[in-house]
Parts: sequence; C-alpha cells; structure tokens
Amino acid sequence: GENVEQHPSTLSVQEGDSAVIKCTYSDSASNYFPWYKQELGKGPQLIIDIRSNVGEKKDQRIAVTLNKTAKHFSLHITETQPEDSAVYFCAASRAGHNQGGKLIFGQGTELSVKP
Amino acid sequence: DTAVSQTPKYLVTQMGNDKSIKCEQNLGHDTMYWYKQDSKKFLKIMFSYNNKELIINETVPNRFSPKSPDKAHLNLHINSLELGDSAVYFCASSPRTSGRPAYEQYFGPGTRLTVT
Repeated sequence: GENVEQHPSTLSVQEGDSAVIKCTYSDSASNYFPWYKQELGKGPQLIIDIRSNVGEKKDQRIAVTLNKTAKHFSLHITETQPEDSAVYFCAASRAGHNQGGKLIFGQGTELSVKP
Repeated sequence: DTAVSQTPKYLVTQMGNDKSIKCEQNLGHDTMYWYKQDSKKFLKIMFSYNNKELIINETVPNRFSPKSPDKAHLNLHINSLELGDSAVYFCASSPRTSGRPAYEQYFGPGTRLTVT
C-alpha cells in the first residue's frame, strides 16, 4: 500500500548548522510532496512543497529536493535558529482529478536546535 | 483572520458517549478533510469532502460520521466513544475545485479528544 518513510525520527543540531530530513515514498504515482512544521499544541503548518515536474525548490533558508527515480525527497534547513525547533512531517499525494488530495504522511522528525 | 478553525480545542468525555467536533474555514476552499494524530504523532487521513460530497473514507469505523452542511463547514460526529478514539483530530482545507488537482492543504489548530 501507500507508505512514506521518514528519517531521522529525532535530530539535534547547534544553532547555525544545517539540518537534513529524508523521506522515501512507495507510490510511484505520487506527484505532490509537501513539508509541514508542527509546533507544540498547534496544527501542522505548510512550509514548502514540490511537485513531481520539479527537482528542487528553495525558499530562503529552506529547500526541498526530489529524486523521482529513487522515490526520495529531502528537506534542507540552513543556518538553523532555535525557532526552527519543532516536529517536521513530509507527505506524498496523488494530487489530481478525483484523487481527493489524500496526504500520506511520514512518521515525523523532532528537530531540536540548541542555542 | 482567514483560517481553519475548530471547536472545541479540548474535549474530555467518558466511554460510550457521543460527541461532535466542528470545523469552519473562511479561505473559500471547497475541499475539507479530517485527520487523526495518534499518541506517537502519526497523522492519518480519515475523510475528505469536496463541495459537500464525500470523496475519501479511509476505513474509519462507522461510529465516525462526518457532516458537511455547506462547503465552509465539516463537522465530525463520533458515536459510542472508545478509549482508542483518544487522539488529536485535525481539520484541513484545500483550494481544490472541480476538475483541478488538490494541492496545498491548510490545517486547523486541532481538537484533543480524551476518552476516559
């Protein structure tokens, strides 16, 4: 069935360092890959996304890469700050006609940025 | 503020009771979702509605019944609550329109349900 594996489950970095979170998806028909940040007691917040016709996307300190052949995608955060500390989720979806937009989530990565 | 809102934020109830969670979005979206987040923070879709029509039902027990009175609201009613229903329930919405792909989903703040 559809599955998204996310690693690592926890990640601790020093402020200013980079953080990388990796995901692998099983459904080759997936065409949309968002990343969400969830702070304690809040709902997931969409921070960046990538569609299957693009290999890389960047927004300030965050970037996402997609390797469709290997069915891998990754989140890169540079110059980390304490406020980046949160749980990050990757997801995959078959966005399209009559697909309903169902997001299959990874297990989450708890990122801790130490000042 | 434009957003997805949910009420209540916390819900504590006893086994066997029936309860409802309400969701409203004022983003003008026409697709809405319910997700369940378990104690290990795993997020799983439960339902999806597009223009008041059910389009996803992910093998959720029929004790759970979503209702969409209009495309801005999607409520979740749960009958005969069980201990295993304890979780955080998130509502989300997406700007999918008929004939166009669903992409970005925006989540509400969540409702923490505790069944005792």
